[in-house]
Amino acid sequence: DQQVKQNSPSLSVQEGRISILNCDYTNSMFDYFLWYKKYPAEGPTFLISISSIKDKNEDGRFTVFLNKSAKHLSLHIVPSQPGDSAVYFCAASANYGGATNKLIFGTGTLLAIQP
Amino acid sequence: DGGITQSPKYLFRKEGQNVTLSCEQNLNHDAMYWYRQDPGQGLRLIYYSQIVNDFQKGDIAEGYSVSREKKESFPLTVTSAQKNPTAFYLCASSTLPVGSVVLQYFGPGTRLTVT
Repeated sequence: DQQVKQNSPSLSVQEGRISILNCDYTNSMFDYFLWYKKYPAEGPTFLISISSIKDKNEDGRFTVFLNKSAKHLSLHIVPSQPGDSAVYFCAASANYGGATNKLIFGTGTLLAIQP
Repeated sequence: DGGITQSPKYLFRKEGQNVTLSCEQNLNHDAMYWYRQDPGQGLRLIYYSQIVNDFQKGDIAEGYSVSREKKESFPLTVTSAQKNPTAFYLCASSTLPVGSVVLQYFGPGTRLTVT
């Protein structure tokens, strides 16, 4: 059962425009969410995170929005740049009170920025 | 400088052979993790460890074994019992989670090909 879903395997955006990557989750216990960026044959790098007490977090060109009622989060990149071309993973975690709080990853979205 | 190293970058083995993938970190992190990435499947957790000489199975531990004799090192052995060992393997580390807040840092990965 996929608890974190990224339903768009790929997305193509023109350079300079806004990229919007989406992520849905099913576990209502999740209260911390992260986005990672991954280039081919490299490890993922942390991009931005958000706690469930907030509905928006911004860092430069990157903004993450969280809609708890819809169990949906999105990553906005504006303006999109060629170096943003990568696979983006959404991840979530919950506080199970003493147990190791693991990250649950989505399947990733391949973002291609077109010149 | 601090980080996570995985070696080798590419590894080739014949079917039926065990193979050990190395992971070392100098971030002084207590927790370490092993994931595998397959196309279209995101990152799936194999094993994780929060403390030396202790580790827990993740979602897909069958056919794998680990050890944690030192805080800095968390080697993964892919045994001949693993039915589909060809994959990209990622090691990660983190400080111990605070509630649900956990930020994992990833190594560059090892591409294992078994023929």
